[in-house]
Amino acid sequence: GAVVSQHPSRVICKSGTSVKIECRSLDFQATTMFWYRQFPKQSLMLMATSNEGSKATYEQGVEKDKFLINHASLTLSTLTVTSAHPEDSSFYICSARDQSGANTGELFFGEGSRLTVL
Amino acid sequence: EDQVTQSPEALRLQEGESSSLNCSYTVSGLRGLFWYRQDPGKGPEFLFTLYSAGEEKEKERLKATLTKKESFLHITAPKPEDSATYLCAVQARQGAQKLVFGQGTRLTINP
Repeated sequence: GAVVSQHPSRVICKSGTSVKIECRSLDFQATTMFWYRQFPKQSLMLMATSNEGSKATYEQGVEKDKFLINHASLTLSTLTVTSAHPEDSSFYICSARDQSGANTGELFFGEGSRLTVL
Repeated sequence: EDQVTQSPEALRLQEGESSSLNCSYTVSGLRGLFWYRQDPGKGPEFLFTLYSAGEEKEKERLKATLTKKESFLHITAPKPEDSATYLCAVQARQGAQKLVFGQGTRLTINP
């Protein structure tokens, strides 16, 4: 199946700093990527839909200025958590849809990035 | 609003003891229902997509079925390596391509 890679897998930062998480589709092009957030023992909550070459679409209640999303190419989307605070500590997961070949329409997930804000 | 409810929240089975996980959903026109497996600290791993009522798909010890209101993930003769959280998600036909996830079922298979 298709592969989606996230980096870094773990990051610890001080309160007030900004953190960037990268999401890459390794063997397919993704015009749309999705960013999810997952708290311990809870399900995935969609934060925003990232569209290549245009602005991201944010879900209700997600602060656009705090969670900056850039989708500059067909294989890379980035999520920047600006001025991070302890309550932003969470597991962030990206996903991308492969609409070519044998994986038409399937949504594949990255390995996730665990953010801890001290 | 699209909603997904999974039950039970947690399930503990003995190795070889078959069972089923439930996913009830309400959606304004179903495009697809998805099952994923998630191990601790990892991203979800794709298992199945079901598109219409009556459809069934199988993979090793897992079989997913779909009706107009719910989906079941049947696990036959499970092994300890099947222990994971199983997530169900729906995608509506209209609007964005996003998935709405259920809370998941934490499955533990004891040897």
